Parts: sequence; structure tokens; C-alpha cells
Amino acid sequence: AQSVTQPDIHITVSEGASLELRCNYSYGATPYLFWYVQSPGQGLQLLLKYFSGDTLVQGIKGFEAEFKRSQSSFNLRKPSVHWSDAAEYFCAVGAHSGANNLFFGTGTRLTVIP
Amino acid sequence: EAQVTQNPRYLITVTGKKLTVTCSQNMNHEYMSWYRQDPGLGLRQIYYSMNVEVTDKGDVPEGYKVSRKEKRNFPLILESPSPNQTSLYFCASSSTAEKRRELFFGEGSRLTVL
Repeated sequence: AQSVTQPDIHITVSEGASLELRCNYSYGATPYLFWYVQSPGQGLQLLLKYFSGDTLVQGIKGFEAEFKRSQSSFNLRKPSVHWSDAAEYFCAVGAHSGANNLFFGTGTRLTVIP
Repeated sequence: EAQVTQNPRYLITVTGKKLTVTCSQNMNHEYMSWYRQDPGLGLRQIYYSMNVEVTDKGDVPEGYKVSRKEKRNFPLILESPSPNQTSLYFCASSSTAEKRRELFFGEGSRLTVL
């Protein structure tokens, strides 16, 4: 069965510092991986996705993520965090074929301090 | 503008009073889905639909019904709401085309059942 683990419930970083949010997945086939961001009171917005090919993917708002098959990980990174990045971040895994169902992690809440 | 629209955004109701949360998308997406979001549990899928007249259960379907009579609409029905259905609900849609399977989310409907 598919599952996604985000081991960090809450992370606090200083503005301008680098950020890495962890995501590990369990999936029996080639995964289709996503990172979403949820600002307070908002829906989820896609940051980036990995389908195939280059394992380092670039997304919106200066985020990137690297797919490491050997570690079953898809960690999200940003070199310099801005106060507006404070939000909740969700990693999700889906299938290349069949239903479009995505399985989400429990999320990581990011706090940015001045 | 491409969007997924949910209504109502906020609702307080009482146990047993039937309610419907509407969802509409304007992107001609084949796939639509409902999720509920609860603290510490992330997003859990309630029901999904691969196309018109095709629906299937997700991970937490008990107490919910859906229908897909038109491609753009996917209402969520709570026939007899109970307090444990108090939650934040999200509707989402996506294309089924390869490499375009990312979900687009509505802004959410916060439901309180007293």
C-alpha cells in the first residue's frame, strides 16, 4: 500500500536561511511525486512534481526537490526562505497509470522568524 | 481563470440534517475527488470519480455519498451528518493525461456538525 511520511511536524527557520523539508514514500511501482503548499485559509497549491527524467526538479517560488529512488525520498529545498513561505507543506505520491488518486503525508508546518 | 469552486465555504449544521457541498471545475477535467483534512492526519480521500457516472470509494467513505452526472460537477452529500464529520473538506480535479495528473484544489469548505 502507498504511504507518505513527513517526519517533521513543525519546522522553524530564520528568514534568509536555507530550508529542507523531508518526505519519504512507500510505493510498489514507479511513483509520481508532488509537493503542495497550503497557506492559512487557502486550498493547496502545487509547488512542483516529479514524473520521470531528471531527478532534480524546479518548482514555483524558488523551490526545488530531488527524487532519490534508493532512499525513497523526495525532499523539498529552498536556499533562502522568505517570510511569505510560512505555510503548511504536503508531500504526495501517485501512480503513473490507473486512477489519479494521490496519497498525502500529514504535512509539515513552516514558521519563519525575522 | 481555471478554478475549482466549492460552496458553501463555511457551514454550521446539526446532527442528522442532510447537506450537500457543491464542487464545480471549469478545466474539463475527467478526474475529480473529495478529501477531508483533519489536524495531524493530513488529507484523506473520501470518494473519487474517473469520469461521468463513474465513482469509487476512497479511504474514508463512510457517511458520505457522491454523484457525477455532469463532467464539471461533483457534489458531496452528507445524508445524516454526525459530529465526527466536522472537518475541512477539499474538492480537487485533474486531467488523466500522462504527465498532467496534478490535482487542482478548491479553497475548502469548513463544516461544523453540532
